[in-house]
Amino acid sequence: KAGVTQTPRYLIKTRGQQVTLSCSPISGHRSVSWYQQTPGQGLQFLFEYFSETQRNKGNFPGRFSGRQFSNSRSEMNVSTLELGDSALYLCASRQGSSYEQYFGPGTRLTVT
Amino acid sequence: KNQVEQSPQSLIILEGKNCTLQCNYTVSPFSNLRWYKQDTGRGPVSLTIMTFSENTKSNGRYTATLDADTKQSSLHITASQLSDSASYICVVSAPAISNFGNEKLTFGTGTRLTIIP
Repeated sequence: KAGVTQTPRYLIKTRGQQVTLSCSPISGHRSVSWYQQTPGQGLQFLFEYFSETQRNKGNFPGRFSGRQFSNSRSEMNVSTLELGDSALYLCASRQGSSYEQYFGPGTRLTVT
Repeated sequence: KNQVEQSPQSLIILEGKNCTLQCNYTVSPFSNLRWYKQDTGRGPVSLTIMTFSENTKSNGRYTATLDADTKQSSLHITASQLSDSASYICVVSAPAISNFGNEKLTFGTGTRLTIIP
């Protein structure tokens, strides 16, 4: 079974721009979560989607948004990028309410 | 405030030696505790998941312990190998509010382990 895939793997954007990241979960997994990882803060939860509905949300500003499609693929959007948004963005999928999460390789976003 | 603290922040040991990483948490109520291994440039990979009733769980050379009374966990690595060089992240979960599994996760900042030959 293929693992979680994320595209693109690396991205460089300028302050003020917006960016969309994509995540394809493991086949059969309907839950997708997004995380931001920075050296100073570690992993921080952004949001979780299940069957196209956001069911959990972390403490991030409204510039961070996401959505999930009927095939469980998910996208995350960050508008009006700031330098502090530079981070590794990880998505993870799981089956239903299982504890076990499977992470993708991440998208490394650099904002200049 | 729910917190997860890991120690040490970084650790360097010789190949073949054992080591123990610590995780203390203040998350309450408690659902489960997870240890992840994250290689540089890659996503975390689950090592163990322990619920309240489990106090030891092994995954190959990795053994996690949990003391829910003192809110402490440890990850013991036996006979370390070069491939064990990674960050190890402790994550504590508070229970889901509903059956839809919207648990609350609190992450530690990790221990950076380096194995030298």
